[in-house]
Amino acid sequence: DGGITQSPKYLFRKEGQNVTLSCEQNLNHDAMYWYRQDPGQGLRLIYYSQIVNDFQKGDIAEGYSVSREKKESFPLTVTSAQKNPTAFYLCASRDLGGSNYGYTFGSGTRLTVV
Amino acid sequence: GDSVTQMEGPVTLSEEAFLTINCTYTATGYPSLFWYVQYPGEGLQLLLKATKADDKGSNKGFEATYRKETTSFHLEKGSVQVSDSAVYFCALSVRAGSEKLVFGKGMKLTVNP
Repeated sequence: DGGITQSPKYLFRKEGQNVTLSCEQNLNHDAMYWYRQDPGQGLRLIYYSQIVNDFQKGDIAEGYSVSREKKESFPLTVTSAQKNPTAFYLCASRDLGGSNYGYTFGSGTRLTVV
Repeated sequence: GDSVTQMEGPVTLSEEAFLTINCTYTATGYPSLFWYVQYPGEGLQLLLKATKADDKGSNKGFEATYRKETTSFHLEKGSVQVSDSAVYFCALSVRAGSEKLVFGKGMKLTVNP
């Protein structure tokens, strides 16, 4: 079955460390997105990519970095510059040639700074 | 900029109660509107959608009508079940540029037996 796989499900990071969250999709979707979810704040867009080797900052990109070397992969690195990284991170993908509602979400990674 | 405002809750209902979750939006252009649901510990699932004014989206007993005159997309269900306990997000997407989703803050619903 096609879908989005995020790993790991739970991740613990020490202060000052960089960590990378994985997002892989086998839907052949063009666009991929990273959202951050905090209690009471909904989902906020971190980065998105509509094509390989290209990506754009979202609303809260500071302290994060991404790459899009392959169509099916869009890893997110949470750097030590991100002051409050503890959150639930969701990856999504979409077929730009399809309907306007073809977003598919992964099951998320919960990152905790210890 | 584009934005979504929705009831934040949390809300607790008894089984078989009527549910309304209000959602209003501000958008440049003509947005598509969505309701997503998130069950505990999981990602988001599309519940229903509407792509133009007066469209009614429906799924699993939930309904929402795209009201352009009031810029609203309220979610309703006539009789909730315990299995409807989840967080509900209203969202919009404008067909211009990146077409990214803009979410409301979400509302946690708990349904008690």
